[in-house]
Amino acid sequence: KNQVEQSPQSLIILEGKNCTLQCNYTVSPFSNLRWYKQDTGRGPVSLTIMTFSENTKSNGRYTATLDADTKQSSLHITASQLSDSASYICVVAVRSTNAGKSTFGDGTTLTVKP
Amino acid sequence: DAGITQSPRYKITETGRQVTLMCHQTWSHSYMFWYRQDLGHGLRLIYYSAAADITDKGEVPDGYVVSRSKTENFPLTLESATRSQTSVYFCASSENPGTLWEQFFGPGTRLTVL
Repeated sequence: KNQVEQSPQSLIILEGKNCTLQCNYTVSPFSNLRWYKQDTGRGPVSLTIMTFSENTKSNGRYTATLDADTKQSSLHITASQLSDSASYICVVAVRSTNAGKSTFGDGTTLTVKP
Repeated sequence: DAGITQSPRYKITETGRQVTLMCHQTWSHSYMFWYRQDLGHGLRLIYYSAAADITDKGEVPDGYVVSRSKTENFPLTLESATRSQTSVYFCASSENPGTLWEQFFGPGTRLTVL
């Protein structure tokens, strides 16, 4: 069964600090991995998308890494801001013509405190 | 307005009633999706559509009906609402750019079934 597991479930950090969120997956055959940010009361918004051949991708203070061999990804947030408080969701898509074949993680809830 | 919209944003209904959640996108994306998000669970796919008049079941389709007569609209109907369908519902749309199934999400509809 395709699964995506994220850790930690929740995280509290002080403003200005860095943090790293983890995503392990068992999805096969792998197509791509995406990280989404979901603010409270809103829909998810894409941060990064990585395919098999990419192992790092940045979007401002967000840097995602992918190790396709160990089936692990991480999202590193640098110099956190209060606005980074949100849920971060890892999504892995299966290589398929079927658009419905994506598996979502449960998310990591990040709280940034002043 | 450009983008993807959902209506209503909040809905309270009673067990046994029929409820329709609306989703509209202005990008002319081929693919549209309905998800539900519950506490302790990641987003779970209910139904998706690859084009007008083409729909397919996702992970949790029971109790839901969809239609897609026009590319831009993808309504979700709960034919006889149950308390277990209390959830936040997200609609999403996507182009068909090969393997990069990036999805753009609406703001969500919070549904409470009493």
